[in-house]
Amino acid sequence: AQRVTQPEKLLSVFKGAPVELKCNYSYSGSPELFWYVQYSRQRLQLLLRHISRESIKGFTADLNKGETSFHLKKPFAQEEDSAMYYCALSGNTGKLIFGQGTTLQVKP
Amino acid sequence: DAGVTQSPTHLIKTRGQQVTLRCSPKSGHDTVSWYQQALGQGPQFIFQYYEEEERQRGNFPDRFSGHQFPNYSSELNVNALLLGDSALYLCASRRGLAGPNTGELFFGEGSRLTVL
Repeated sequence: AQRVTQPEKLLSVFKGAPVELKCNYSYSGSPELFWYVQYSRQRLQLLLRHISRESIKGFTADLNKGETSFHLKKPFAQEEDSAMYYCALSGNTGKLIFGQGTTLQVKP
Repeated sequence: DAGVTQSPTHLIKTRGQQVTLRCSPKSGHDTVSWYQQALGQGPQFIFQYYEEEERQRGNFPDRFSGHQFPNYSSELNVNALLLGDSALYLCASRRGLAGPNTGELFFGEGSRLTVL
């Protein structure tokens, strides 16, 4: 079965602390993995995708096929990073399978 | 560019009624998908339209149907509403049906449906 699991509903850190949002997936094939973010009162938007191997707003994510994980990391959290983060999987068809989401709360 | 626009933003219906939600994709986009997001959950794929045809469908009953028009806009129809249909309905668009970056979608702000 195709599934995305985000084990933490809420992650609370202090400003300047490292952040790691966990994502594990189940997929038979070669998936594309994404992180989407929703800031307060804004629409859901793409943060980054694994094939780009890019860093966006200081965030990076590495696809680990052995552990079937795609954790999102940032070395120093900022208050403006507070948002809901969704990990998502696509099987090259445009259909996205989302995890349940993790709320990141960065305290001053 | 206004991006993906959806209407209405909020609506309240009673059980058994029917509802139609509308979506205009981002300029230049021709593929539209619909997602249901229940409270506290991630979005769930309902279906995808391209060239006015349903191309993929998620695990939703036939009460959920859709349409895409020649101008790429789309409608989501839900018949015989149940309390469990209360959710945020998101429309998303992209250019093309297949190819690289198929998972890069642009989302609307959603239509919040409450079924009483």
